[in-house]
Amino acid sequence: QVQLVQSGAELKKPGASVKVSCKASGYTFTNYNIHWVRQAPGQGLEWVGVMEYTGDSYIAYAQRFQGRVTVTRDTSTSTVYLEVSSLRAEDTAIYYCARDSPGGDFDYWGQGTLVTVSS
Amino acid sequence: QTVVTQEPSLTVSPGGTVTLTCASSSGVVTSGNFPNWFQQKPGQAPRTLIYGTTKKHSWAPARFSGSLLGGKAALTLSGVQPEDEAEYHCLLYFGRGLHWVSGGGTKLTVL
Repeated sequence: QVQLVQSGAELKKPGASVKVSCKASGYTFTNYNIHWVRQAPGQGLEWVGVMEYTGDSYIAYAQRFQGRVTVTRDTSTSTVYLEVSSLRAEDTAIYYCARDSPGGDFDYWGQGTLVTVSS
Repeated sequence: QTVVTQEPSLTVSPGGTVTLTCASSSGVVTSGNFPNWFQQKPGQAPRTLIYGTTKKHSWAPARFSGSLLGGKAALTLSGVQPEDEAEYHCLLYFGRGLHWVSGGGTKLTVL
């Protein structure tokens, strides 16, 4: 069955970086895009970025995260990574990865990774 | 900056019908925005109910349906059950510039 399993919770100090992983299984990894979405405490969802596998392996980020966020992948282990640098308290959130088939169907989600930024 | 707006909260009686909407500050929502609707219960990851405006996942109960209504994306629950009490989020696509933008979520209370 399709699974997206994320790495564990992180506690970071302001200014540090964090790298969250999302390991996919149960399907052909390179046939689907992987998105990152975050949710601050008590808030709605916020789209962070995407790694597209279909077509030209396009990577894109929400404008407000440009320059601070990097999405990478390791195809040999079917894992996608999200790195956030220069962390601020406002980056405290649960970070989710989600699979997307062409046509914008966010059909499977990871369990989420809590990133806490605190001095 | 495009803003996507949902009702902050709605209340419905068991067995009733309720429609949640998802509006865009940049204009009419169309099928080209590929509206997605997610249900999220406390402490859980979102679960996708509707994608591509009207398409429903196999795990979504028949009482959930998606549509376009009055220039917005809409999620209608017909015959609401107590277990439908949750937060509902919409997500819209705006092309390779803005990409995806989510609304603030609607807290649905069944009372």
